[in-house]
Amino acid sequence: KAGVTQTPRYLIKTRGQQVTLSCSPISGHRSVSWYQQTPGQGLQFLFEYFSETQRNKGNFPGRFSGRQFSNSRSEMNVSTLELGDSALYLCASSRGTWANTEAFFGQGTRLTVV
Amino acid sequence: GNSVTQMEGPVTLSEEAFLTINCTYTATGYPSLFWYVQYPGEGLQLLLKATKADDKGSNKGFEATYRKETTSFHLEKGSVQVSDSAVYFCALSAGDNYGQNFVFGPGTRLSVLP
Repeated sequence: KAGVTQTPRYLIKTRGQQVTLSCSPISGHRSVSWYQQTPGQGLQFLFEYFSETQRNKGNFPGRFSGRQFSNSRSEMNVSTLELGDSALYLCASSRGTWANTEAFFGQGTRLTVV
Repeated sequence: GNSVTQMEGPVTLSEEAFLTINCTYTATGYPSLFWYVQYPGEGLQLLLKATKADDKGSNKGFEATYRKETTSFHLEKGSVQVSDSAVYFCALSAGDNYGQNFVFGPGTRLSVLP
């Protein structure tokens, strides 16, 4: 069974640009969540999608957005990039039925903003 | 709001030593508790979980017991190996039954020396 796949693995972008990250969940999983991991702030929840609807949202500015497609694949977009957006972005998928269901994480996309 | 506190380390142990990583939480409602592990260059892997008070999660020699009275979920292993070197994250998922929203601790880096 394939795991959670994130593409690309590495990205270098310039301040002011925008970026789109992609996540393919485990087959059958309908919930996809996104997290930002930085040395200073640790792991922070961005948002969660279930059946193409955003169910939960963390405390991030509107420059961070996402969507989910009918096949459960998800994309995350960051517009007007800032240096502080440099981070490892992790995607997690789960069956999504209950909050006590474990999440399975991808390897992440390492974004560097210069 | 919900939060997780854990010893940040780094923790350095010799092979076959006993491991304890403390984790305490603050949450409303009835959260589920998790330990995730992150190896270098990888995403997070679920190590174990407990979904209600007094539950014990266990996996690969690691154990943790959900203690509601002390709001704790300490991770233990009787005999660590070099291959256990990684960063360990304690996390909770609040039980609103409407989806995934993990709150992570800052992570504890463990180094096991041969």
